[in-house]
Formats: sequence, structure tokens, C-alpha cells
Amino acid sequence: AQTVTQSQPEMSVQEAETVTLSCTYDTSENNYYLFWYKQPPSRQMILVIRQEAYKQQNATENRFSVNFQKAAKSFSLKISDSQLGDTAMYFCAFMKWKTSYDKVIFGPGTSLSVIP
Amino acid sequence: ETGVTQTPRHLVMGMTNKKSLKCEQHLGHNAMYWYKQSAKKPLELMFVYNFKEQTENNSVPSRFSPECPNSSHLFLHLHTLQPEDSALYLCASSQDLMDYGYTFGSGTRLTVV
Repeated sequence: AQTVTQSQPEMSVQEAETVTLSCTYDTSENNYYLFWYKQPPSRQMILVIRQEAYKQQNATENRFSVNFQKAAKSFSLKISDSQLGDTAMYFCAFMKWKTSYDKVIFGPGTSLSVIP
Repeated sequence: ETGVTQTPRHLVMGMTNKKSLKCEQHLGHNAMYWYKQSAKKPLELMFVYNFKEQTENNSVPSRFSPECPNSSHLFLHLHTLQPEDSALYLCASSQDLMDYGYTFGSGTRLTVV
């Protein structure tokens, strides 16, 4: 069975600084998707970034980038130039390749606070 | 306009009450989901509907009863709940079951007293 671990329950970062959130996962699959979701105080979960395991290149979306280490089963999220609006819970998630989307496995989340 | 709207935003109910949570999406999606989010725990998938048909029931107690009258609406009927059922209930939708572009609602914060 797949599992997703986020070892940092809470983190904080100064505004404009860079922060990295950790995620590790366990799977025997070779092809899969990985995601980072953001849940701000408004509670709506928003997809931040996704990575296909077969792609070597790390995904990037504006200030958000990932460091995907397939062999180590690690998928960290780097937020550059942190903004107050980045304060939120961040969830790492895993989905097997070519399966129904109802099999997404979420991690327990990391609460990020951006300090002015 | 988030695309997925959940009502009510907050709900407090007694253990003997009957209430319903509502989810509505205007995105033309065919798959809809109920998730339970408890403190310090990963999101738990409860139910999945695809084209109005239930495809997944993750061993959810019968005191939770889903209903999907059409592809745009999803309900979660609640009766004789327990205090441990207090949580944030999130609705999500996607184009279909193979689409990983989930859109979430803002959830209903449920407190059972």
C-alpha cells in the first residue's frame, strides 16, 4: 500500500524568504503522479503543482518548485519569495498512474506560517 | 466563485438530529467526491460518484448517507452522529475519474454535540 509522510507538522518563514516543505512516500509503482495542495484559512484546497514520475525535470509554477528524487522517494516543495498569502496547510499527495482519481493518497499536512 | 459551493459553511448538530450537507458544482464535471478532514489526520475519502453512480464507499458508517441526484449536486445526509464525526467535510469534483484536476469546495465545518 502507498503511504505519504510529511515530517514537519508546522513551519514558519519570514516574508520574502525561501522555505522548503518535505514529503516522502512509499510505493512499489514505477509510474505515478505527485501533487502539492494548498489549503488556506478559507479552507478551499487548491492544487499548487504536480509532477509525473516519468519526467526527469522538476515541475515549476511561478514561485513554487519541487525537488523530485525518485530513487529516494522524496518530493519536497520549495516556495521562493514567501508572501503572506502563502500561509496555509500544505498537503502532499500521491496517485498511481492510469488509475481512477479516487485513489489519491494524501499526507497529514504541514502548517506553514509566513511572518511579516 | 469557486466553482464548487458547499452549504452550510458551519453546522452544529446534536447526536439525535438529522441534517444534510450540500455540494454544487457549475463546472460540467462528472465525478464528485466527499472527503472527511479531521485534525492531525490525512484526508479520508468517503464517497465517489461518477455520472451520478456511486463508485466508491470507503467503509463509511451508515449514519452517513450520500445522494447524487444529478452530476451537479451531491448531498451527504447525516443522522445519529457521534462526537468523533466532528470534522471538516470537503466536496470535490473532477471532469471524470481519470482527471487529476480536482476542484475543491470550502467545506462544511461540522460539530456534533
